[in-house]
Order: sequence, then structure tokens, then C-alpha cells
Amino acid sequence: QLHLQESGPGLVKPSDTLSLTCVVSGESLNKNSFLWGWIRQPPGKGLEWLANIYYSGSSYYNPSLRSRLTISMDTSKNQFSLKLTSMTAADTATYYCARVPVTSSWYFDSWGQGTLVTVS
Amino acid sequence: DIQVTQSPSSVSASVGDRVTITCRASQNINSGLAWYRQKPGKAPELLIYSASSLQSGVSSRFAGSGSGTDFTLAISSLQPEDFAIYYCQQTISFPWTFGQGTKVDIK
Repeated sequence: QLHLQESGPGLVKPSDTLSLTCVVSGESLNKNSFLWGWIRQPPGKGLEWLANIYYSGSSYYNPSLRSRLTISMDTSKNQFSLKLTSMTAADTATYYCARVPVTSSWYFDSWGQGTLVTVS
Repeated sequence: DIQVTQSPSSVSASVGDRVTITCRASQNINSGLAWYRQKPGKAPELLIYSASSLQSGVSSRFAGSGSGTDFTLAISSLQPEDFAIYYCQQTISFPWTFGQGTKVDIK
């Protein structure tokens, strides 16, 4: 049974760097069958895709945040991570990690429960 | 970036009603569209992928249609758990983008 679990600091200060981790159980990250990604949702607002990473290390970023984002993967721990620099109040959101099957059409088929990050 | 616009932004309905939500892309995305349902306080869950393919384990009361720029999600008979927010998402090109959401609430 696939399970994704985000972890993060909960509260960060303006200008800090946010570090989030998604621990995956029930599936190996070291396979060519999936991408792994991050999505965020400010309180009461919609969803914003942030970044994806492939087991090979290939990564894809939202251009609107590219200069501040880094996605990485540690296959030995079966987890992937996101760093977001220069945090502001506008980055307050619930951050989700999710899986993307590598097929002819991409979509997030399994999500973590999300972790709320507040910038204050 | 490809913009996706959902309509309506909200709809009021009763249990057993049929509801349709539309999603329009700013350019041709073929069938690169997914639909999600988000219940309050929960993560989104995949309903439909490739515009019309039903995700495994999802009720057949959900149906997706369309291609190109115009897409529809139909819920044939609303159940209590369907009062939620629905999002479409295009994945034909980066950056992947979501619609702004459609809230389905109880009439």
C-alpha cells in the first residue's frame, strides 16, 4: 500500500529557507515508472504545481518559482525533498507531495496528507 | 503557460442531482486533463485522467469527457461525500496548471 508522508517545520520566519521531506513507503523511488512531485495550496485558495523529479534526477520546475526552488531525491532513504528560499507570507500554504505514473498522460494519482507551513 | 478556466465557480445541488463542471484550456491540450475532488481538510484525490479515464476505485457516477480545449466532469447522482471542491489540471506541458476550482455545496 503506497503511503506518502510530508514533514516540515510548520512555522518559518520571513527570508528563511523552507525544507520539506516526503517519505514514501510501499513503492521504490528508484524506478522508472513514476515521477514524484510537490504541490501547494494557500489557505482557502487553489492548487499550484511546484516541481517534479524523476529517479534519474531529472527535474521540472514551475518557472514562476524556479529561482527559489530545489527538488532532490534520496533513494537510499526512499524520500524526496523540496527547498524554497526567501520565504514570505505569500508562501504560507499546505504543501503536498504526490506521485505521477509515467504513462502517455500524466496526473497525480496518490497524494500525501499535506503539511501546513506558516511564514511569520 | 496554459491557462485552465473552470465554470461555474460554485454550484448548489441536492443529493441525487446530476452536476456538470466544465474546464476550458487556453490552447489545445489534446486529452491531457485530470480531475480531482478535494474534501474539506483533505488532500485532493484523483477522479479522472486522460480527460475520460476513470481512476481505479472511483465510483462510476463520475464521468469525464472532452478533448482539445473543452472538457466536462459529470457527476450523475450526487452523494453526500461529493459536496467538495473539484479541480481540473492540464499536464500536456510544463508548467502544469490547475483550474481555480468549483465548489459543490448543498442546496
